[in-house]
Amino acid sequence: QSALTQPPSASGSPGQSVTISCTGTSSDVGGYNYVSWYQHHPGKAPKLLIYDVFKRPSGVPGRFSGSKSDNTASLTVSWLQAEDEADYYCSCYAGGNSYVFGSGTKVTVL
Amino acid sequence: EVQLVESGGGLVEPGGSLKLSCAASGFIFHDYAMSWVRLVPGKGLEWVSSITWSGGGTGYADSVKGRFTISRDNVKKSLYLQMNNLRPVDTALYYCVKQSYYDIFSAYSDHWGQGTLVTVSA
Repeated sequence: QSALTQPPSASGSPGQSVTISCTGTSSDVGGYNYVSWYQHHPGKAPKLLIYDVFKRPSGVPGRFSGSKSDNTASLTVSWLQAEDEADYYCSCYAGGNSYVFGSGTKVTVL
Repeated sequence: EVQLVESGGGLVEPGGSLKLSCAASGFIFHDYAMSWVRLVPGKGLEWVSSITWSGGGTGYADSVKGRFTISRDNVKKSLYLQMNNLRPVDTALYYCVKQSYYDIFSAYSDHWGQGTLVTVSA
């Protein structure tokens, strides 16, 4: 149950796009299409952004999109806005009734 | 509106025990699996444990297996986490999380509580 690997930080100017990677193994990201992404503003509860690799819950803007290739999932935030500045975590089912989270990426809007 | 309210956190010495509780409302509690996820200071989110709708299936992170026990009471609409033999590395904000499905497999976390803080220190 090793944490999925995410870059510690990412940044972009308002209106730009940023993509965050989430690398695992064939036992988690590569083995299941059950990758989800969460946005966390410090002091608040995490919020679900993406589930099942690319699906968006109602209420989540279309600026947030997800994808996966082999053992790496990605979250793209398009048209960056100031309120997108937060920590982002991926998560994936890892078999045997277990889950694993990513190491987290701090997104800064310049 | 889904509400998850955690309680039971606090300061405990290494080797001590705590029992966390989560009161759920706003959804049919017994229809969904539930989880505990913790936010470790300076590190990030870590999945701790999950339980199926009936309580018949559970899963634990390797770091807590054998020390923590997850349980639920569908009549009281409550989720619990019994934590024994606590270690300083267990210091974290513990979130109660509703899963999207009755089973652990394939579910994602669609609602989170505000968390309860556990500090393990002498």
